[in-house]
Amino acid sequence: GQQVMQIPQYQHVQEGEDFTTYCNSSTTLSNIQWYKQRPGGHPVFLIQLVKSGEVKKQKRLTFQFGEAKKNSSLHITATQTTDVGTYFCAGPPGNTPLVFGKGTRLSVIA
Amino acid sequence: NAGVTQTPKFRILKIGQSMTLQCTQDMNHNYMYWYRQDPGMGLKLIYYSVGAGITDKGEVPNGYNVSRSTTEDFPLRLELAAPSQTSVYFCASRSGGANVLTFGAGSRLTVL
Repeated sequence: GQQVMQIPQYQHVQEGEDFTTYCNSSTTLSNIQWYKQRPGGHPVFLIQLVKSGEVKKQKRLTFQFGEAKKNSSLHITATQTTDVGTYFCAGPPGNTPLVFGKGTRLSVIA
Repeated sequence: NAGVTQTPKFRILKIGQSMTLQCTQDMNHNYMYWYRQDPGMGLKLIYYSVGAGITDKGEVPNGYNVSRSTTEDFPLRLELAAPSQTSVYFCASRSGGANVLTFGAGSRLTVL
């Protein structure tokens, strides 16, 4: 079945540093989604990318969908303590339910 | 709107006991899902439903059962609880026109 892999598994950064997490799928995706889960919380939808090569920004967060629609990245500029949490990518293999990556846990040291 | 509501928030079970995790949504979403999340791990799909009366297995269905008698409710039943079922369970839903999931707050289950 489809696999969605994320790296790194953990990332510790000093506040103000940049952060990037990468997502790779074993199959081509019709779209890719990103979710954030705060410690002790539930996943919350951040964004969906649909088009090949698409780049979207949300304030300090930049999301990119690869040209082949098999990979994606999330980049956070100048991290803040409010960015702490686990970031998941997820993709739907056709009409089947979303497959989630294992996530990247971000720690921000003030 | 309350969104997706899960009960209970926390539960401790003894090995062999049974229980039902409740999930209800008030968004009139057709699609509903149950995921489990083990510590430091991602989300694994247990069961899902594309509408009332229709359910299907996900990646890790063993030891669980579901039903979908109404659009709003999607309970998850654990029969003969085992320590391996200690996890956080998330219910989620989406409308038919979008893939975006709305998650409940989760139910933390410990089996001792």
